[in-house]
Amino acid sequence: GESVGLHLPTLSVQEGDNSIINCAYSNSASDYFIWYKQESGKGPQFIIDIRSNMDKRQGQRVTVLLNKTVKHLSLQIAATQPGDSAVYFCAENPASGATNKLIFGTGTLLAVQP
Amino acid sequence: ETGVTQSPTHLIKTRGQQVTLRCSSQSGHNTVSWYQQALGQGPQFIFQYYREEENGRGNFPPRFSGLQFPNYSSELNVNALELDDSALYLCASSPAPHRGTDTQYFGPGTRLTVL
Repeated sequence: GESVGLHLPTLSVQEGDNSIINCAYSNSASDYFIWYKQESGKGPQFIIDIRSNMDKRQGQRVTVLLNKTVKHLSLQIAATQPGDSAVYFCAENPASGATNKLIFGTGTLLAVQP
Repeated sequence: ETGVTQSPTHLIKTRGQQVTLRCSSQSGHNTVSWYQQALGQGPQFIFQYYREEENGRGNFPPRFSGLQFPNYSSELNVNALELDDSALYLCASSPAPHRGTDTQYFGPGTRLTVL
């Protein structure tokens, strides 16, 4: 069935280092992907998105890479800060019908050490 | 802040009871989606509402139902509550249900505990 999974459930980095969070997806027809950040007790917060006709997109301190050949998505955070500590989810919009639903993975906990 | 609001923040119910959760979408957004997030898991799509009609449904039983009002706000109703219904219920709004083109913005969620 459709699924979006993450390779690492927990990632611990030092403040100032770069972080890379990985995600694998199974639906090759998916054409839209989003990264969300979720802090404890809050709803998911949009970080960055990418469409399937792109392989890279940059935001402020974040970059998303999409490799459709191996169905892999990654989120790079530059100069990681303590405020980046949270659970990060990748989500895909499967190409099925007119409903804009999202399929989420289980998440990666990013822990930033001072 | 996304502008999506949900109420109540927390709720405790007992098994067999019914619950109604509420969501106000972000200004300018006419589509509302509901998700269930169990502890330690990613959100799971329940259903979506567009122009007061259900516009897609995930793998949830009929005791999960919803409404959307002319002002685009929405309700999620769950009947005959079960212990496994304990979760964070998230509402997300987006401008329109055009597949693959509209980001969904989430509210803070309602934490439901079923005893």
